[in-house]
Amino acid sequence: GDSVTQMEGPVTLSEEAFLTINCTYTATGYPSLFWYVQYPGEGLQLLLKATKADDKGSNKGFEATYRKETTSFHLEKGSVQVSDSAVYFCALSDDNAGNMLTFGGGTRLMVKP
Amino acid sequence: DVKVTQSSRYLVKRTGEKVFLECVQDMDHENMFWYRQDPGLGLRLIYFSYDVKMKEKGDIPEGYSVSREKKERFSLILESASTNQTSMYLCASSSPTGTNQPQHFGDGTRLSIL
Repeated sequence: GDSVTQMEGPVTLSEEAFLTINCTYTATGYPSLFWYVQYPGEGLQLLLKATKADDKGSNKGFEATYRKETTSFHLEKGSVQVSDSAVYFCALSDDNAGNMLTFGGGTRLMVKP
Repeated sequence: DVKVTQSSRYLVKRTGEKVFLECVQDMDHENMFWYRQDPGLGLRLIYFSYDVKMKEKGDIPEGYSVSREKKERFSLILESASTNQTSMYLCASSSPTGTNQPQHFGDGTRLSIL
């Protein structure tokens, strides 16, 4: 079956540091890939997505590139802010499974001033 | 913007009670989902629905049921609440068109069973 693996957190960075959160996946079809963010006390919000190989999703300074050859979708940001502190979830939607999402376990990011 | 509204942010109930969690979306989405979120376990799908009066079991349906009488509303029911159902519950909705449609989430209901 489909699965998503994320690096375990928490990830603790100083403000303006470079961020990478690793995400790899296994899927039977041709998935679309997503990053969701969950701020404290809130639900999940879509951060960015990519629907085919070599697509780059971007939003709010975050980027992730769909790498089919390495089955990866790593999240990056060049300079994090305290307000980026949240839990980040990588997810995939497989065209063999309708509109279902398979989530990774989530990575907590803590940014210190 | 899509709005998914969960009826309660915090809820405290007793063991054995029947508990209803309500979710309403305003974008005429066909698909609706219920997840629970627990530390270290991520999000796990409980039930989902692709249409009115239609429901499908997810990964962890035991102890839960659902109701979808209207397109915009999807209810999660704990038939006889137990302490191991203490968790954060998240509702989501999506358009069925293609696989690149994201799910839109509510703010969650933090449920405590005493």
